[in-house]
Amino acid sequence: QSVQTQSPSVSGAPGQRVTISCTGSDSSIGAGFDVHWYQQLPRAAPKLLIYDTNNRPSGVPDRFSGSRSGTSASLVISGLQADDEGIYYCQSYDISLRAAVFGGGTKLTVL
Amino acid sequence: QVQLVQSGAEVKRPGASVKVSCKTFGYSFNSYGITWVRQAPGQGLEWVAWISTYNGDTNFAQKFQDRVTMTTDTSTSTAYMELKDLTSDDTAVYYCATWLPPNSPLEYWGQGSLVIVSS
Repeated sequence: QSVQTQSPSVSGAPGQRVTISCTGSDSSIGAGFDVHWYQQLPRAAPKLLIYDTNNRPSGVPDRFSGSRSGTSASLVISGLQADDEGIYYCQSYDISLRAAVFGGGTKLTVL
Repeated sequence: QVQLVQSGAEVKRPGASVKVSCKTFGYSFNSYGITWVRQAPGQGLEWVAWISTYNGDTNFAQKFQDRVTMTTDTSTSTAYMELKDLTSDDTAVYYCATWLPPNSPLEYWGQGSLVIVSS
């Protein structure tokens, strides 16, 4: 059972926009700790996609964006492409656990 | 460029220990800590532990506190994680990644090391 909650799956057609949500707690996202997002493509290691809520590492297209509010955060993927299919994880830090905490992951299917 | 290269797959018996290595390239080893994350088959990511490559400070997820040992070798820029008293529940891919807690992202990841625990 993950400390942060994500919906298990989301889908969209090519070109559409999808939103993936992540709900943390008062001791993680709600306490002001940064939120990061990772993309895990099939049979690959996770890759940093968004850091510090809404910053993209070099090479990540601006179709990916993030936001946060209260104890939650969101990842928006615009202009869906077939190779966006994979699992997306949010991550923050929990001061009560003194641990990095992940969401359970959201599987994106491009129809 | 920054690379983390992990050791290969291991098959262990229940009750045994496994030691996974993570050799780093392309940056100053002391600049980032190394954290370990595991992924059981078909499951999500689970944080295991972290070690400072600067001063050796460590932090563990509570469930691994008594079974995980982490070390570093600065001469080879390599980090190690040893997990003892293995059970079938420890079957997973173990990833190392760079991390500076609490707020930095897990920026660079290794390719993962598969550990299978089976009798």
